[in-house]
Amino acid sequence: GQQVMQIPQYQHVQEGEDFTTYCNSSTTLSNIQWYKQRPGGHPVFLIQLVKSGEVKKQKRLTFQFGEAKKNSSLHITATQTTDVGTYFCAGPRQGGKLIFGQGTELSVKP
Amino acid sequence: DTEVTQTPKHLVMGMTNKKSLKCEQHMGHRAMYWYKQKAKKPPELMFVYSYEKLSINESVPSRFSPECPNSSLLNLHLHALQPEDSALYLCASSPISRTDYGYTFGSGTRLTVV
Repeated sequence: GQQVMQIPQYQHVQEGEDFTTYCNSSTTLSNIQWYKQRPGGHPVFLIQLVKSGEVKKQKRLTFQFGEAKKNSSLHITATQTTDVGTYFCAGPRQGGKLIFGQGTELSVKP
Repeated sequence: DTEVTQTPKHLVMGMTNKKSLKCEQHMGHRAMYWYKQKAKKPPELMFVYSYEKLSINESVPSRFSPECPNSSLLNLHLHALQPEDSALYLCASSPISRTDYGYTFGSGTRLTVV
């Protein structure tokens, strides 16, 4: 079925190191969204990318949408302990459904 | 008000019980959603309501019964659940039922079926 694949599943970094998570789709996406879920919390919307090749920044977070609109990435520069959580990409599927990738769980060692 | 409020936050119920989860938003959003999330897994779509009408049911068992009394409220009625239904149940809303709007999620109801 239509899926959004996300890697890696887990990432453990030292505070100050960079972090990247990747999202891939077998079909072209009209847009892609990113969410963050803190441990014990709920998903929080971060951003949406719509245009081919789009790059958006939020402070230390950089989001990219691939030229073919089939992949996306989230890069965090100089991670902090407040970045801990699971990062999900989510893409639209037929019928108006928003489907989440498997998520990347980020842990940051102080 | 930019929140989605879910009650209760925690619920323990027996397999013969009937309970309801409640969700409320006052952002004027016309689309509301129920998602189920198991530990270490992504949220899985259950139901979509658009303008108070059920538009998507992701083949959810009938022991889960959604209801949208008005544009601000969404309920999920539970009956004869199984232990494997234990999960975090998340309500979300968006301006309209289109996937080019970010969803606002509530903090969820953590359900345990015993």
